[in-house]
Amino acid sequence: TQLLEQSPQFLSIQEGENLTVYCNSSSVFSSLQWYRQEPGEGPVLLVTVVTGGEVKKLKRLTFQFGDARKDSSLHITAAQPGDTGLYLCAARTSGTYKYIFGTGTRLKVLA
Amino acid sequence: GAGVSQTPSNKVTEKGKYVELRCDPISGHTALYWYRQSLGQGPEFLIYFQGTGAADDSGLPNDRFFAVRPEGSVSTLKIQRTERGDSAVYLCASSLTGNSRLSYGYTFGSGTRLTVV
Repeated sequence: TQLLEQSPQFLSIQEGENLTVYCNSSSVFSSLQWYRQEPGEGPVLLVTVVTGGEVKKLKRLTFQFGDARKDSSLHITAAQPGDTGLYLCAARTSGTYKYIFGTGTRLKVLA
Repeated sequence: GAGVSQTPSNKVTEKGKYVELRCDPISGHTALYWYRQSLGQGPEFLIYFQGTGAADDSGLPNDRFFAVRPEGSVSTLKIQRTERGDSAVYLCASSLTGNSRLSYGYTFGSGTRLTVV
């Protein structure tokens, strides 16, 4: 069973700081997605990456897929209170059609 | 509809009772997924429908859990003889298609919070 480990589990930072969260596995993935979830809501898709080494940017968020397609990182520049939430990575392996979710990183950005 | 709709938003039931949770996906989305999320955890896969058929039900924890999607749109997750351990948020998601090498993102509903007392 593939496992997606996310680190850190919890992160509390001040507004304006930079941060990076990680998503790691021993499995090779055909695609990987990042979601953000707020209390009482379902996860919302941020990005999909499919190519090893791929980097995508979404405003202050930078996503990278590892060269071997086993891991990914999410970097946030100049964090804002609105970035607070649970960040989830989800991935699927070749030949499967379902995404398996990671354990999540709970981010709190203090004003 | 504009988004994925799940009803009820909250359900409290007694141990041993039967419950049904409903999911109304985005119109035109052929793939539908059910996940279960416990407090502080990521969503756990339960079952995936492509059209009317269950393409992958490997995540259903036991035979008390069953899901249907008879017309390829609305889906119902059914739980028999509920146990306290079934308490969780049940999330439904849909995507344009699941049966493809291309990766389509999921649109999630807000979930049904099930509490078994």
